[in-house]
Amino acid sequence: SQQGEEDPQALSIQEGENATMNCSYKTSINNLQWYRQNSGRGLVHLILIRSNEREKHSGRLRVTLDTSKKSSSLLITASRAADTASYFCATATNQAGTALIFGKGTTLSVSS
Amino acid sequence: ETGVTQTPRHLVMGMTNKKSLKCEQHLGHNAMYWYKQSAKKPLELMFVYSLEERVENNSVPSRFSPECPNSSHLFLHLHTLQPEDSALYLCASSPDRFSEAFFGQGTRLTVV
Repeated sequence: SQQGEEDPQALSIQEGENATMNCSYKTSINNLQWYRQNSGRGLVHLILIRSNEREKHSGRLRVTLDTSKKSSSLLITASRAADTASYFCATATNQAGTALIFGKGTTLSVSS
Repeated sequence: ETGVTQTPRHLVMGMTNKKSLKCEQHLGHNAMYWYKQSAKKPLELMFVYSLEERVENNSVPSRFSPECPNSSHLFLHLHTLQPEDSALYLCASSPDRFSEAFFGQGTRLTVV
């Protein structure tokens, strides 16, 4: 069953601009992760934020988590053409025997 | 290179064929997963193996049969598939079900 839902579905920006993607989920989580996928290839892990954390940074990435609203956002600052990809949020819950559940993703297009 | 290798990268098979997808990881991870990614749909979790035992089967049709002979290898056996089974099949592994997942490059399957 789908847990995460990203918004917007597609985003087009110019190089140098910031890109913000949002993710909403339904049940309580252990952590939330963001992944990136270049066209037709495997997913690459970007960042993990635990349920007791509110904000995390990694290079040009900033992730926030609001567990009261069951939402997260991913901010990519000073975007580059190479950031063009699909971005997915995934949630890990404490329910036994489960694995990461992914949303539909946001397709980001950065033009130079 | 994530350390998770999938073969083959591309596969075309008829509906009456039997084929197998292979996934290999030497990262020392305890959990391995099969996901299906169809166009315009979120990644669907198919099977979860933890310490070589299957812990989740998300109501996947029996024409998909997983096998995990050891902690480094995971197979997905395919037989009498349907055209709607055409998709990108992704294998992933992780130290445990809460941690970052490492994905293979996927097998692009086309059923004709």
